[in-house]
Amino acid sequence: SAVISQKPSRDICQRGTSLTIQCQVDSQVTMMFWYRQQPGQSLTLIATANQGSEATYESGFVIDKFPISRPNLTFSTLTVSNMSPEDSSIYLCSVHRDYEQYFGPGTRLTVT
Amino acid sequence: GESVGLHLPTLSVQEGDNSIINCAYSNSASDYFIWYKQESGKGPQFIIDIRSNMDKRQGQRVTVLLNKTVKHLSLQIAATQPGDSAVYFCAETYNTDKLIFGTGTRLQVFP
Repeated sequence: SAVISQKPSRDICQRGTSLTIQCQVDSQVTMMFWYRQQPGQSLTLIATANQGSEATYESGFVIDKFPISRPNLTFSTLTVSNMSPEDSSIYLCSVHRDYEQYFGPGTRLTVT
Repeated sequence: GESVGLHLPTLSVQEGDNSIINCAYSNSASDYFIWYKQESGKGPQFIIDIRSNMDKRQGQRVTVLLNKTVKHLSLQIAATQPGDSAVYFCAETYNTDKLIFGTGTRLQVFP
């Protein structure tokens, strides 16, 4: 299994500001994934983060809005930049290990 | 705060009954399918998976059925318990790591 922690667990932010979400995994993984879950909705993949290279973004998501860092094989950050109320969501990181995908507990973001 | 599954389809079942949750997937090339359970305030948790070369797989109290002809996936939960109350998502993938999630179903179990 994989144990994943995220910080912060929740935050309330003002529009126009930025928030960086941290994801820590209990052991090394090649790829880490960031998902967004809007209120009452399913999960949508934002990007895939590999250590030592730029993240790969899905359609509809851009690096300027969601910059990602992956400094080592156990850690990643996702920044939500210049926030608007539409960015209010749960943001989850995920890893793939032993043929299973594991998810962190999520960061619940509310933008006012 | 708003919880996961507030606007999702809801299935209400009585404790002890069997539950069937359905999912239509999108990509006929998908070769691996997973069911996840998400409780309020938590990330999705793996329940059971199935590969495209199978049409049925059983776990403990859960069974997944795959119908590739109509791109349909179902999750059957036997003897549903209050602890089964959660939002259930199916997910598909065609390159092992990148998951595409379905819309989800909220399961409510009442006594």
